[in-house]
Amino acid sequence: DAKTTQPNSMESNEEEPVHLPCNHSTISGTDYIHWYRQLPSQGPEYVIHGLTSNVNNRMASLAIAEDRKSSTLILHRATLRDAAVYYCILRDAGSARQLTFGSGTQLTVLP
Amino acid sequence: GAGVSQSPRYKVAKRGQDVALRCDPISGHVSLFWYQQALGQGPEFLTYFQNEAQLDKSGLPSDRFFAERPEGSVSTLKIQRTQQEDSAVYLCASSYGTGPGRPQHFGDGTRLSIL
Repeated sequence: DAKTTQPNSMESNEEEPVHLPCNHSTISGTDYIHWYRQLPSQGPEYVIHGLTSNVNNRMASLAIAEDRKSSTLILHRATLRDAAVYYCILRDAGSARQLTFGSGTQLTVLP
Repeated sequence: GAGVSQSPRYKVAKRGQDVALRCDPISGHVSLFWYQQALGQGPEFLTYFQNEAQLDKSGLPSDRFFAERPEGSVSTLKIQRTQQEDSAVYLCASSYGTGPGRPQHFGDGTRLSIL
């Protein structure tokens, strides 16, 4: 499976935008980029996914580099409830069905 | 609608005891996954069901771990002769399908502590 690299931790101020980076230099053409987050004492929660084009939903935006070797999850206005571990995961259409989690980025939101 | 439900939320057992962890997936979801999450780590895959068929159990750490989903809905993860290294959060996830665009929906897990 292609590997992702994320910073261990990031901080943001409340009500400011947050850009969470993910590097995936060995991504294949059939890999989808997924983001999940895990709040304390909860299971992971799906955030967003994309293949080539940028994506927006009610939770976040996903910006995918033109060469697809990196992506950025954008939270437009961070709230205290956004404090969580954010995981960037690649899913290949042709291989394993399960999610392969790395260690993710611990996001701290400061009031 | 109702999400994935796991029970019990917490389980404490003595080393050597058998434990059973239950997962109620979202209604209509054919795919069900079990993951194990050690403290401070990301979840790791244990096993996968499509309906009642266990299609992948490559992540089960030993033959003490056994999972079933006899009617294609509720699933049970059983751990026999528990050991201290089995202490972890056990997460269940379900999805409508397994395509790369299909998100998985997770329960809040069972925190297992082996004394």
